[in-house]
Amino acid sequence: AQKVTQAQTEISVVEKEDVTLDCVYETRDTTYYLFWYKQPPSGELVFLIRRNSFDEQNEISGRYSWNFQKSTSSFNFTITASQVVDSAVYFCALSDLYSSASKIIFGSGTRLSIRP
Amino acid sequence: EAQVTQNPRYLITVTGKKLTVTCSQNMNHEYMSWYRQDPGLGLRQIYYSMNVEVTDKGDVPEGYKVSRKEKRNFPLILESPSPNQTSLYFCASSSTEGGVGFYEQYFGPGTRLTVT
Repeated sequence: AQKVTQAQTEISVVEKEDVTLDCVYETRDTTYYLFWYKQPPSGELVFLIRRNSFDEQNEISGRYSWNFQKSTSSFNFTITASQVVDSAVYFCALSDLYSSASKIIFGSGTRLSIRP
Repeated sequence: EAQVTQNPRYLITVTGKKLTVTCSQNMNHEYMSWYRQDPGLGLRQIYYSMNVEVTDKGDVPEGYKVSRKEKRNFPLILESPSPNQTSLYFCASSSTEGGVGFYEQYFGPGTRLTVT
C-alpha cells in the first residue's frame, strides 16, 4: 500500500542553520512521482518540486535541495542557511501507478520554525 | 491569472444541513481533487476526478459526494454534515501526463468548515 512518513512532527532551528526534512515512502510500484509542498502560516499550499522514480538525480534550487534515494525509499529536503521566511509546514506526497494513477498520498507534514 | 477558487472560504453550519463547497479552475486541467486537512493527519484525499463525468473515491470519501459535469468545476457536497467533518478543505487541480502521472497541483485557498 502507499504510505508517506514524515517522522519529524516539528523542527525548530536558529536562522542561518541548515535543516533537513525527512520523507520516507512506501510503494509497490516501480513508476511513481514524489512531491514536496510548502504551507506557510498564511495557509496556501505551494508546490516546490516534482520527481519521478526514474530520475534519481539530486536537485538544487537556490537554498533548497532534494536528495532522492530509491535504495532507502527516501526523498529528503534540505534548506541551507535557513531564513525566517522558511517557517512553514512542509508536506511530502506520493503518487504511484499500483493502487491508482490518480490517487495522491500526503505525509502528515513537518512544521518548521526558524527562530531569528 | 491561473487559479483555483473555492467558495465559501469560511462556513459554520449545523449537523444535518446540506451544504456545497464550490471549486473552479481556469487552467483547463483534467484532474481535480478534494482534500481535507486535520491537525497531525496532513492532507487526506476525499475524492478526485480524472475528467468530466469521471470521479473516484480517495482515502476518506464517507459522508461526501462530488460531481464533475464541466471540466472547470468540481463541487464538494455534504448531504448531512456531522461534527467530525469539521476541517479545512482544499480543492486542487493538475494537468496530467496523458492520464498517468501528475504535474504540480494547484490548490485553492481553502474552506474552513465548522459543523456544530
